[in-house]
Amino acid sequence: GAVVSQHPSRVICKSGTSVKIECRSLDFQATTMFWYRQFPKQSLMLMATSNEGSKATYEQGVEKDKFLINHASLTLSTLTVASAHPEDSSFYICSAKRGGLRNGYTFGSGTRLTVV
Amino acid sequence: GESVGLHLPTLSVQEGDNSIINCAYSNSASDYFIWYKQESGKGPQFIIDIRSNMDKRQGQRVTVLLNKTVKHLSLQIAATQPGDSAVYFCAENVNQAGTALIFGKGTTLSVSS
Repeated sequence: GAVVSQHPSRVICKSGTSVKIECRSLDFQATTMFWYRQFPKQSLMLMATSNEGSKATYEQGVEKDKFLINHASLTLSTLTVASAHPEDSSFYICSAKRGGLRNGYTFGSGTRLTVV
Repeated sequence: GESVGLHLPTLSVQEGDNSIINCAYSNSASDYFIWYKQESGKGPQFIIDIRSNMDKRQGQRVTVLLNKTVKHLSLQIAATQPGDSAVYFCAENVNQAGTALIFGKGTTLSVSS
């Protein structure tokens, strides 16, 4: 149980285009979802916290107009990288939290974004 | 966890050896900790967790030790195998509803046979 599906796994896009990444909890309802970014040889950096039906909370230094998060249902959160540039190239990982469980964090398999 | 942005430290061991991976955390309010394993191009995989009311917890071939006095966490892997080669991260959390895990710096474990 507790599977999180993240799509696409890889995407290459041209500079200036927008890219949408989906994060779905397949067998549970996620009260909260989190988005992380990971650059090569570095740790996971929290970008934002997403709660169903409300606006996401962004970490300091993360541009909310560039990284648009929508959490329309208890099983789906999307991250849209608007007008992507080469410096946005990174590995993006989502995590879904099952409510009430201390260890209820499940991670997606990540999305490798390359902006050319 | 510690601030990120630096290259990951590396631990190299021989197959069959025991491995010890360390992590320092900075938030004294953190009361829940998890160790994750991450293979190249994949998301983090849960290994073992521990709450702050414990000092030690054991799993299959793995043990986590928590020293709250010095804010230090370690992961011990017994009889390390080549399949254990990966990057290992500690993550911390404060007991508030819906808060995120904050990841530490990470260590690359390389196991040679």
